[in-house]
Amino acid sequence: AQKVTQAQTEISVVEKEDVTLDCVYETRDTTYYLFWYKQPPSGELVFLIRRNSFDEQNEISGRYSWNFQKSTSSFNFTITASQVVDSAVYFCALITRGSNYQLIWGAGTKLIIKP
Amino acid sequence: DGGITQSPKYLFRKEGQNVTLSCEQNLNHDAMYWYRQDPGQGLRLIYYSQIVNDFQKGDIAEGYSVSREKKESFPLTVTSAQKNPTAFYLCASSHTAGNYGYTFGSGTRLTVV
Repeated sequence: AQKVTQAQTEISVVEKEDVTLDCVYETRDTTYYLFWYKQPPSGELVFLIRRNSFDEQNEISGRYSWNFQKSTSSFNFTITASQVVDSAVYFCALITRGSNYQLIWGAGTKLIIKP
Repeated sequence: DGGITQSPKYLFRKEGQNVTLSCEQNLNHDAMYWYRQDPGQGLRLIYYSQIVNDFQKGDIAEGYSVSREKKESFPLTVTSAQKNPTAFYLCASSHTAGNYGYTFGSGTRLTVV
């Protein structure tokens, strides 16, 4: 079975602090894709990153970085020098052949950045 | 610009009435999806369609119906049989395999009054 766990329901930090959002996934498929989406208060889901199972390189995009570790089945997301505009709900998701190519969603982590 | 358009943004419905939410995409995606999101909760799949004139039930299809007569359009009807329809509804689309991720619309907030 496929599953995505985001154990952190809510995180609150002060602006400019670094923050890491955890994502742990389960799948028996060897080929799979992992995603992070951001949902700001407006409600629309914004795509942040896609990573396939054969590419374990970490990725950095500005203040955002992602750490993919197959050994621990984790795909964690770090925001460096957080800003108030980063406040949102962040979802991690998984897609595999075993999920019939349907996205399996984590429950989401609500991130609050205080000024 | 390519994207997904959901309308209306806000919708109010009286109890016992059916209501249809619109979703249109011009991304040439084969697959389309409807999700429901309750306050403070994650996303739950209602229906999805991977090809025109075909669709499958998701995890919470009861009380909802869909049609896929055109590739670009995937309207969702919330019927009177849906006991708790007040929620935020998100439409998405993707290439068939979905492994490039989904593109989402801006959502429709439905309130039953």
